[in-house]
Amino acid sequence: IAGITQAPTSQILAAGRRMTLRCTQDMRHNAMYWYRQDLGLGLRLIHYSNTAGTTGKGEVPDGYSVSRANTDDFPLTLASAVPSQTSVYFCASSDSVGSTDTQYFGPGTRLTVL
Amino acid sequence: GQNIDQPTEMTATEGAIVQINCTYQTSGFNGLFWYQQHAGEAPTFLSYNVLDGLEEKGRFSSFLSRSKGYSYLLLKELQMKDSASYLCAVKDSNYQLIWGAGTKLIIKP
Repeated sequence: IAGITQAPTSQILAAGRRMTLRCTQDMRHNAMYWYRQDLGLGLRLIHYSNTAGTTGKGEVPDGYSVSRANTDDFPLTLASAVPSQTSVYFCASSDSVGSTDTQYFGPGTRLTVL
Repeated sequence: GQNIDQPTEMTATEGAIVQINCTYQTSGFNGLFWYQQHAGEAPTFLSYNVLDGLEEKGRFSSFLSRSKGYSYLLLKELQMKDSASYLCAVKDSNYQLIWGAGTKLIIKP
C-alpha cells in the first residue's frame, strides 16, 4: 500500500508557465488537502475537498485551482506561476473531516519558480 | 485572528527529557495534534488530544489544557533519531487544521 503519492518530486519552473502537481491516495479517504510549507511559517492550507466532487478554498487559494473528479486524485494547478509560489507543497488525506480524523501526508513536491 | 505559538528551536542531550510547549488562540477547538517532521520529509502523526490531560504513547506524551489554550509534547529517553521538527496543530470550528511554525529539536550526544 503506497498511501499518498505526489508527482513530481521537485520541479524548476519559469514564471508564467502552467503547472499541475499530482496527488493520488489509495486509502479510500474522503477528504484531501493541499498545503504549502515555507521556512518560518506553519503549513498553510491552499484548497481542500471533503468528498469527491466538492472543493473548498483554504487560507491561501489565490493563484491555485483544484479538482476532485474521483476519490483517489486531487491535482493542484498553478495557472501562471509566480516566484512567490516557490515552496514545498504537501498533499494530505483523512478518512473524513471529524475532530478525531488524522491527516496523512504525501512526500511533498519542491517547486521553484524563477 | 488564529494563532499557534511554539518555540523556534530547542536543544537537548541524548537520553534526557525535553518538553515542547504550544499555546493557541483559535476560533473554536476540535482537537490538538502533534506531528513530527524530519528534514526534507513529510509530517507524520504523533498524537491527538481533545480532552484535558495527558496522553502517553511510549516515549512520547502529550498534555492539553483547554482552559489555558496550552499543550506540550514530552519526549523521554531522547535518541539521535528524535532530531526533527515538531509541529503543533489545532482543529478549528470549521474542522480545519491551523498549524504552528514548528519547533526544531536538536539532539546532542
